[in-house]
Amino acid sequence: KAGVTQTPRYLIKTRGQQVTLSCSPISGHRSVSWYQQTPGQGLQFLFEYFSETQRNKGNFPGRFSGRQFSNSRSEMNVSTLELGDSALYLCASSPGLVGNEQFFGPGTRLTVL
Amino acid sequence: DQQVKQNSPSLSVQEGRISILNCDYTNSMFDYFLWYKKYPAEGPTFLISISSIKDKNEDGRFTVFLNKSAKHLSLHIVPSQPGDSAVYFCAARRVGGGKLIFGQGTELSVKP
Repeated sequence: KAGVTQTPRYLIKTRGQQVTLSCSPISGHRSVSWYQQTPGQGLQFLFEYFSETQRNKGNFPGRFSGRQFSNSRSEMNVSTLELGDSALYLCASSPGLVGNEQFFGPGTRLTVL
Repeated sequence: DQQVKQNSPSLSVQEGRISILNCDYTNSMFDYFLWYKKYPAEGPTFLISISSIKDKNEDGRFTVFLNKSAKHLSLHIVPSQPGDSAVYFCAARRVGGGKLIFGQGTELSVKP
């Protein structure tokens, strides 16, 4: 079974631009969560989607948004990029909503200049 | 508000010795705890977990201990190997499921 895939793997943007990141979960998994990893902050939860509905949301500004499609693939969008948005963005999938274990993708490294 | 804390950003251990990684939490509603391991340029991978009804779970060289009264858990790796060098994250989940809350991570370096 293929693992969680994320595209692109690396991205460089400038302040004020917007970016869309993509995540394909493991086949059969219906829950997708997004995390931001920055040095010293660990993994900060962004949001979780299940069956195309956002189920949980972290403490991030409205510039961060996401969606999930009927095939469980998910995208997250960041508008009006700021320097502090530079981070590794990780996507994780699990079979159901109440999962004990999440399977992570390799992440997208976003650099904002 | 950091509900899950890993107060040691780094740890260095000699090969063959024991590695002990610590994690503290503040929310008594957490009922399930996990440890993830992360190599550079890869996503975290699940290592071991423990339910709040247990105080110990073992899987090969890895053992997780949970002290609910102290709101503390630890991961023991015995014996440590150079391939264990990675960043380790502890995570917690509230009763009823939902999102995982991660700590800041501890970078373990196992020296030959």
